[in-house]
Amino acid sequence: DAGVIQSPRHEVTEMGQEVTLRCKPISGHDYLFWYRQTMMRGLELLIYFNNNVPIDDSGMPEDRFSAKMPNASFSTLKIQPSEPRDSAVYFCASSGTNIAKNIQYFGAGTRLSVL
Amino acid sequence: LAKTTQPISMDSYEGQEVNITCSHNNIATNDYITWYQQFPSQGPRFIIQGYKTKVTNEVASLFIPADRKSSTLSLPRVSLSDTAVYYCLVGGDNAGNMLTFGGGTRLMVKP
Repeated sequence: DAGVIQSPRHEVTEMGQEVTLRCKPISGHDYLFWYRQTMMRGLELLIYFNNNVPIDDSGMPEDRFSAKMPNASFSTLKIQPSEPRDSAVYFCASSGTNIAKNIQYFGAGTRLSVL
Repeated sequence: LAKTTQPISMDSYEGQEVNITCSHNNIATNDYITWYQQFPSQGPRFIIQGYKTKVTNEVASLFIPADRKSSTLSLPRVSLSDTAVYYCLVGGDNAGNMLTFGGGTRLMVKP
């Protein structure tokens, strides 16, 4: 398996623009997670899905952020409108059925810069 | 919710054994202990997981005392390439509490 695939790897945009980050989880994994990492706040969980259903979105910073998982092999994280403080590395991860024991596999991340 | 406490940073030299201890006083019966490693510009990568006693794989060993209130990640004979941030996570049946990475321990291996 190719692992968790994220695109784009780098995104530079201007304040106010819409940004869409994409993730393809590992085939067969039931859980998908979106994280954000900054120097100041570390690695923060934004939202996670189980079987394509959002389970906990309490980490989503505000209404400008939205995430979808239309099918088991694809998820998006959208920021509209983007702001400079959204600049960070966004990671997607997936894991299998038993989350208690299960290991999360992370993608390479998308480095977002909002100017 | 099991919370973890780790040292912010550690320094070591090539060839030495490094032990990073994580405290998790409120660990629950169903909780597992999982360690991840993160290199700059990469996502975290699973290293090792355990429930009790000792677990060893090709990368590291994980020591868990009987009370399970702490765990120690042991890296044998570190090299410069082991310079990374190491995260300890604790969680069990409640999916939500397996997902707090905390600040991690920044390990710097010097030549």
